[in-house]
Amino acid sequence: DIVMTQAPLSVSVTPGESASISCRSSKSLLSSKGITSLYWYLQRPGKSPQLLIYRMSNLASGVPDRFSGSGSETDFTLKISKVETEDVGVYYCGHRLEYPFTFGSGTKLEIK
Amino acid sequence: QVKLQQSGAELVKPGASVKLSCKTSGYTFSTSYMSWFKQIPGQSIEWIGMIYAGDGGTGYNQKFKGKATLTVDTSSSTAYMDLSSLTTEDSAVYFCARTGMDAWGQGASVTVSS
Repeated sequence: DIVMTQAPLSVSVTPGESASISCRSSKSLLSSKGITSLYWYLQRPGKSPQLLIYRMSNLASGVPDRFSGSGSETDFTLKISKVETEDVGVYYCGHRLEYPFTFGSGTKLEIK
Repeated sequence: QVKLQQSGAELVKPGASVKLSCKTSGYTFSTSYMSWFKQIPGQSIEWIGMIYAGDGGTGYNQKFKGKATLTVDTSSSTAYMDLSSLTTEDSAVYFCARTGMDAWGQGASVTVSS
C-alpha cells in the first residue's frame, strides 16, 4: 500500500496569516495518463470530509482560492493564505492512484 | 443539488451484521461510482472499497474483503454496504462518497457492543 505521510501533526495560525501543510507519498503518484493523483480534504469538527484540491493543484468547486496545492511526484504542499476561522479542522491528503486508496494521518489546524 | 443521505446510527451485538444505506439525489447515480470509508473517531480515514452503479462492479481494500460487501439499487439511486461478523474493532463512523469524492454522506455511526 502507498503510505501517505503528513507534517506537521498540528498547526496554529493567526487569522489573516498563511499556513502550509506537507504530504509525502511512498511512491510516485504520477499516473501513466500524466495525472498526479493527489487530493486534499478538510474535515471540520463533527462533519464529513470535504474535497479541497484534486489532482494535486486543481481547486474543487466552491472552494475559496485562498487554498492552493502544489508539488512533485511524491512531495506535496497545501497552502492556505489569509487563514480564516472557518478553516479550522483536520486536513488530509490522499491518493487515488491504485487500490487501496490511502490517506495521511491528518494535520489539525487551529486558530491562535 | 447533489445529496447523499445515509442511514442512522446503529448499535449492534458482536457477531451480528449491519446494512448501511446511502440514498442519493441530484445527479446520475446509474453511471457513477460510490466509495465507502471507515473512520474511528480521532483517527484518519480508511477506504473500504468502491462500486460502479452501472454494472455493480466492485473494488475492495484487501483489509475489508470478507468484512464489507457493496451493492447498489439503481431504481432508488441507493448504495448499500453490508458489514458482517462485527467486532468491537468495527465500531466507527462510516461514510459514503460519490465519484470524485466531491460529495459525501453525513456519516453513520456503528457501535458494536454486547
